[in-house]
Amino acid sequence: DAEITQSPRHKITETGRQVTLACHQTWNHNNMFWYRQDLGHGLRLIHYSYGVQDTNKGEVSDGYSVSRSNTEDLPLTLESAASSQTSVYFCASSEGTSGGNNEQFFGPGTRLTVL
Amino acid sequence: KNQVEQSPQSLIILEGKNCTLQCNYTVSPFSNLRWYKQDTGRGPVSLTIMTFSENTKSNGRYTATLDADTKQSSLHITASQLSDSASYICVVTAPGSGYNKLIFGAGTRLAVHP
Repeated sequence: DAEITQSPRHKITETGRQVTLACHQTWNHNNMFWYRQDLGHGLRLIHYSYGVQDTNKGEVSDGYSVSRSNTEDLPLTLESAASSQTSVYFCASSEGTSGGNNEQFFGPGTRLTVL
Repeated sequence: KNQVEQSPQSLIILEGKNCTLQCNYTVSPFSNLRWYKQDTGRGPVSLTIMTFSENTKSNGRYTATLDADTKQSSLHITASQLSDSASYICVVTAPGSGYNKLIFGAGTRLAVHP
């Protein structure tokens, strides 16, 4: 069955370190997204991609970067982790072009703690 | 500012009872409104989707309603089960140039007790 996976599921790191969170989907979806979820807030968009070599900033992109070298993967990199980036991170994907109104399918999440 | 507000923040009900969760939004215009269910430690999963022209949509024991005039939506759960314990998130899609923005509510955390 097609799915979307994230790794690691849990990560503890120190302030200033570079961290990369992996996201892999087997649906062959064009669109992929990264969100963060914090207590008391709705999911907030970090970065998104509409296809290979396409990346775009979301509403909370400072301190994060992504790259899209193939259809299946959209890794999220924290260049220099900060305590404010402690959060649960979700990757999502959807079919269609340029986002569209199609349902986004979410991965299981990565809980990141920055000490 | 485009916002989605949900109430209550949390809710406890007994198994077998019904409940209704509320969603108010200020997004305009909007393409569609979805309700997602998020189990603890999992990603959100879509329950229902409604466009502005639809006013009700059902998915088993879940029924969503939409009043586009008052910008309100509700999710009604009938005959609750222990497995309904989860967070329920209201999401409104706002059309934009190049990207259809999803605006998420903070969710309602539902606990169903035996």
